[in-house]
Amino acid sequence: QKEVEQNSGPLSVPEGAIASLNCTYSDRGSQSFFWYRQYSGKSPELIMSIYSNGDKEDGRFTAQLNKASQYVSLLIRDSQPSDSATYLCAPGTSYDKVIFGPGTSLSVIP
Amino acid sequence: GAVVSQHPSWVICKSGTSVKIECRSLDFQATTMFWYRQFPKKSLMLMATSNEGSKATYEQGVEKDKFLINHASLTLSTLTVTSAHPEDSSFYICSARTPNSGANVLTFGAGSRLTVL
Repeated sequence: QKEVEQNSGPLSVPEGAIASLNCTYSDRGSQSFFWYRQYSGKSPELIMSIYSNGDKEDGRFTAQLNKASQYVSLLIRDSQPSDSATYLCAPGTSYDKVIFGPGTSLSVIP
Repeated sequence: GAVVSQHPSWVICKSGTSVKIECRSLDFQATTMFWYRQFPKKSLMLMATSNEGSKATYEQGVEKDKFLINHASLTLSTLTVTSAHPEDSSFYICSARTPNSGANVLTFGAGSRLTVL
């Protein structure tokens, strides 16, 4: 089983819609979870972190965590063309390195 | 905020030559840095963890003699691709843990795009 899996893309949504990105992980010891955004040809940047079960909202972004199901998601409300990017999930590991999921490519259509 | 500077941004070299990529933490000290490689339309693959003052820890399948990592100071880590071949052409990105943040919060350099002819 891969350490981190994400829903396969590319995902296309119309402008103004909700984009839903999913991530599952294998390390039951993970206590923290991070979503990074990567624009084409650029480096990743952190957009959300979540540590507790439930929802965490930050502007148009909502992260949802369910540790029992080993599942974390990212919802983007009122999607904008500028949200078009690849979104990478990175569960916090119990060892000293950061492993990223394969990423989900999001395209927001004007 | 924390800044990681990576140089060069682009490099083109001939097959068989070596290329050095530098990664600097500009306003903080980084005892650990991470080197990733990314092929087109693929995810970031961790190559190695660079530790200041000690040997790097390489991921399985990464040739340590080909990808030399040196972390001689608290602000500088270098990756040298030795005897480069066209299959080494990729986007190389370094990162460091963002100070005063969680262990998995990383600040990335801008990346170095290597093309081996």
